[in-house]
Amino acid sequence: GAGVSQSPSNKVTEKGKDVELRCDPISGHTALYWYRQSLGQGLEFLIYFQGNSAPDKSGLPSDRFSAERTGGSVSTLTIQRTQQEDSAVYLCASSLVTQYNEQFFGPGTRLTVL
Amino acid sequence: GQSLEQPSEVTAVEGAIVQINCTYQTSGFYGLSWYQQHDGGAPTFLSYNALDGLEETGRFSSFLSRSDSYGYLLLQELQMKDSASYFCALRSGNTPLVFGKGTRLSVIA
Repeated sequence: GAGVSQSPSNKVTEKGKDVELRCDPISGHTALYWYRQSLGQGLEFLIYFQGNSAPDKSGLPSDRFSAERTGGSVSTLTIQRTQQEDSAVYLCASSLVTQYNEQFFGPGTRLTVL
Repeated sequence: GQSLEQPSEVTAVEGAIVQINCTYQTSGFYGLSWYQQHDGGAPTFLSYNALDGLEETGRFSSFLSRSDSYGYLLLQELQMKDSASYFCALRSGNTPLVFGKGTRLSVIA
């Protein structure tokens, strides 16, 4: 079946603009995660959705970052007033609720803020 | 809080065996996962240990010692395609996975 998909694959924006990144999880996966990865670094947790529960937003670095998940499926990560330090690869992952040790990652969106 | 430590880089010869260690600190430990990430690619799941001992999956094995807060990934019969970054990831309580900073493995001829 189809894996996790993300769009766009690359996004170049100017400092101060807003961007939206999209994630389509694997069908049937109720858990969805967003991570950020800077060049040569590990994965930084941003936000976690599980079913209809309130999302775990503990990893969002500032109030410029927000995310929503509509209908328990597609998720959008929004970064407002982008800064150069927001430049990174943004990865989305999904998993079955009982197996969140095994996450399936999308190819990521490479965000460059000029 | 939670933290994981793993070496930043490891180099090994094609055909050899390499061990990538991971130590962690946490409370309410559930398990340790390992992920592989090739340059420019997405992380892919390799293994998960919830109990002490060795889990084997083909050329890859993963070990956990809960009493020592320590695990490792063992790669046998190394191939050039194994050159990648390897991340250990911690699951504790209801928190999402916490990832280590990754170990970059270079396999040389």
